[in-house]
Amino acid sequence: NAGVTQTPKFQVLKTGQSMTLQCAQDMNHNSMYWYRQDPGMGLRLIYYSASEGTTDKGEVPNGYNVSRLNKREFSLRLESAAPSQTSVYFCASSAVGSNQPQHFGDGTRLSIL
Amino acid sequence: RKEVEQDPGPFNVPEGATVAFNCTYSNSASQSFFWYRQDCRKEPKLLMSVYSSGNEDGRFTAQLNRASQYISLLIRDSKLSDSATYLCVVNPYEYGNNRLAFGKGNQVVVIP
Repeated sequence: NAGVTQTPKFQVLKTGQSMTLQCAQDMNHNSMYWYRQDPGMGLRLIYYSASEGTTDKGEVPNGYNVSRLNKREFSLRLESAAPSQTSVYFCASSAVGSNQPQHFGDGTRLSIL
Repeated sequence: RKEVEQDPGPFNVPEGATVAFNCTYSNSASQSFFWYRQDCRKEPKLLMSVYSSGNEDGRFTAQLNRASQYISLLIRDSKLSDSATYLCVVNPYEYGNNRLAFGKGNQVVVIP
């Protein structure tokens, strides 16, 4: 009963390095989301994908790119990591409908030195 | 005005006591409402949806007041395991998407 799976769980990068955070869900959800959470800031939406083949910017998209690879997978890429991107990243998914909650993965803790 | 506002607390609650807190939302057209629980350094987990008529799940009761644009959560007979941050979450249903707006959370600390 996996739900939403994120990899890796922890990562340390140097400034300027690139990496991709992976997210997969097995709940047949159409919509997927990437958030970051920083102390005192709450959850902030980076990008979301309402359905396979579509992606849209959220509140804080600068410095990130996303790919909705198929219905199950939604990846987040940092092309040139910066210390300001040190954060905890959560992926979430939901079914279609305004009354549908989102279900979260257990997060990726990313530190950029 | 922020989409969802919560008093961060902390709310220090003696074990066995009742605690209640509200959150306010700015978009009167918001469609759906949720309470999530987040433990330290863990992912948010759905605690309960909030329905117009109010709803209860064990020791937890949620209420919605559309006229005043707030939702509330009440925890009865608090347990040590209830210590967590409770996130108020609203779906403003903008442009037909399912984007959610999250409050920063109410931190609850249950004291033995």
